Order: sequence, then structure tokens, then C-alpha cells
Amino acid sequence: AQSVTQLDSQVPVFEEAPVELRCNYSSSVSVYLFWYVQYPNQGLQLLLKYLSGSTLVKGINGFEAEFNRSQTSFHLRKPSVHISDTAEYFCAVSDPNTGGFKTIFGAGTRLFVKA
Amino acid sequence: DAMVIQNPRYQVTQFGKPVTLSCSQTLNHNVMYWYQQKSSQAPKLLFHYYDKDFNNEADTPDNFQSRRPNTSFCFLDIRSPGLGDAAMYLCATSRVRGTQETQYFGPGTRLLVL
Repeated sequence: AQSVTQLDSQVPVFEEAPVELRCNYSSSVSVYLFWYVQYPNQGLQLLLKYLSGSTLVKGINGFEAEFNRSQTSFHLRKPSVHISDTAEYFCAVSDPNTGGFKTIFGAGTRLFVKA
Repeated sequence: DAMVIQNPRYQVTQFGKPVTLSCSQTLNHNVMYWYQQKSSQAPKLLFHYYDKDFNNEADTPDNFQSRRPNTSFCFLDIRSPGLGDAAMYLCATSRVRGTQETQYFGPGTRLLVL
């Protein structure tokens, strides 16, 4: 079964600094990968997703992620963060070969942007 | 704006007292999901509806049931809430059922069991 590991439970960073949130998934021939953001007391919102094609995926709010098949990783990056980026970030994976639709979420990384 | 709405945002219930959480959507999506999210954990899928077709996850306790009377509404019923059922409950929708589909989430209902 698919699994997702988010290597950092919390990432503190200063405003305007770059950030990388790490995500690794268990190996599969093909996968779909997602990053969702959850602001306090809100539901999850899609930041970006990788289905196929270019391994560098650009999303909303200046975020991007790079799919690395050999390292089974899908790390999320932003070159310059804002206070408003403080939130919980979830990496998720789905396997198109299972015949189902289920999305598996990682445990989340809390990004805390300091002034 | 098209959206996923959950009511109430906060729900307090007593141990063993049945409770119903509601979700509605204006996206006209075919699929509606219910997730349970405990503090500092990943959302965990409980079940989903694909149109009227109900799909339960194997590890979802029998205490959790769901109803979808029409395309727009979906309910989560907890028949006898225990202390361990205190969590955020997230409703989500997707246009169709597929592993590539984006899910659109509501703001969640935080359930407290006394």
C-alpha cells in the first residue's frame, strides 16, 4: 500500500527566506502527487499536483514542487515566504494502478513564518 | 462562489449521544467524501459516495454512518460517540472519482465529546 512520509513535523523560518518542505512516498510504478495547505480552522486547499509531464510543477501562492522518481520525493519549495504562509502543509499520493481513487495523506508539516 | 459548506463549525455532544454533521456543495460534484482528522494527524478517509453508491473504508468503525439524500447534501452520523471520536471532520468533493482528481474541502466541523 502507498504511504507518504513528511520528514519534518515543524519548520520555522524567517519572513522572506526560502523554504523547502520535504515529502517522500513509497515506491510505485506511477503515482499522482499533491500538496495541500490547511490554514487554521479551515479545510485543505490544493496548492499543486503532479500527474505527468514536466517534473517541476508550479502552484498557487508562489509555491513549486519537483517530482523525483529515483528518490521517490516530491519536495515543496518557495523562494521567499510571507507571514501569511504560516499553515499546515500536507503531501498526498494516489496510485492510478490500484483501480480505486483513494488519496493517502502524510502527517503534515507545520510551517511557521517569523517576522 | 461555488463551495463546500459544513455545518455546524463546532459541535459538542455527550458520550453516547447520537450526532449528525452536515455537508453541502454547490459544485455539482459526483463524489463526496468524509475524513476524520485528529490533532496533528493526517486526514483519514472514512467513506465516500460516488453519486448514490456508498463506499466504506475497511477500517471505518460501524459507529460511523453516512447518508446522501441528493447530489448536494451528505451527512455523517455518529451513532454512539466515544471520547476517541473527538476530532475535526472534513467533507470534500471531487468532480468524478479518479486518482488524479482534485478534492475540494469544506472548512470542517470540530467535534467535542464530553
